Amino acid sequence: NAGVMQNPRHLVRRRGQEARLRCSPMKGHSHVYWYRQLPEEGLKFMVYLQKENIIDESGMPKERFSAEFPKEGPSILRIQQVVRGDSAAYFCASSPGQGVRGREPHTDTQYFGPGTRLTVL
Amino acid sequence: RKEVEQDPGPFNVPEGATVAFNCTYSNSASQSFFWYRQDCRKEPKLLMSVYSSGNEDGRFTAQLNRASQYISLLIRDSKLSDSATYLCVAWYSSASKIIFGSGTRLSIRP
Repeated sequence: NAGVMQNPRHLVRRRGQEARLRCSPMKGHSHVYWYRQLPEEGLKFMVYLQKENIIDESGMPKERFSAEFPKEGPSILRIQQVVRGDSAAYFCASSPGQGVRGREPHTDTQYFGPGTRLTVL
Repeated sequence: RKEVEQDPGPFNVPEGATVAFNCTYSNSASQSFFWYRQDCRKEPKLLMSVYSSGNEDGRFTAQLNRASQYISLLIRDSKLSDSATYLCVAWYSSASKIIFGSGTRLSIRP
C-alpha cells in the first residue's frame, strides 16, 4: 500500500513562472491537506480538500494560489507568477475521512507525503 | 495567543535521559490530538494519536488533560535517534480545522 506521493520532489522556477505541485493520497483516502513550511519555521496549513470540493482554504493566500482535487487524478496546488518568497517545502497529507463526534479518531489521522521543495530563482 | 502552543526548545539532553514536552491548546472544542516528529528536511511522521486520557507506546507516553487543556509527551530512555522536532496537533472535527504547533526541538547528546 503506497503512501502519499508527491511530485516533483524538487522544482525550480524563475520569478513569474507557474509552479504545479501534485499529490496522490494514500489508497482509500478521500481527504487531502496542503501545508507550507518555510526554512526553519513550522508547518502552516494552507487548504483542506475532499474530492471536487474545497472544505477550508483559510490558510491559502488570496492571490496566485489555487488548489483542486478532481474526481480523477491527483490533487494539484498551483502557484501562478511565483516570487522568491514562495520558496519553501510544500507538504501534502491525506486522511481516510473527517473525524465526526462519536467516530474513531483515527479517521482524522493525517499521513504526509515527502514534500516538494520549490526554489524560485 | 496561539491556538496550539509549544515550547520551541531546543531541549538538549543526554542519551538515556527522560524528557517531557507540554503542549497547550486554547479551544476546548478540540476533539483529537496527535504528536508528530519531523526530522530535518523530511516530512512529519505520526508518532502517536492521543485520545481519552492518553496512551503509551514503548518508550513514549502521551497524556491528555482536558481540564487544563494540555497534552504532554514523555520520552523515556532517550536515544540519539530521538533527536527531531516534535509537533503537537489539535483537530476540531466540527469546524474541519486542524492546527499544528510550531514544534519543540529535541537534541540527544551521547
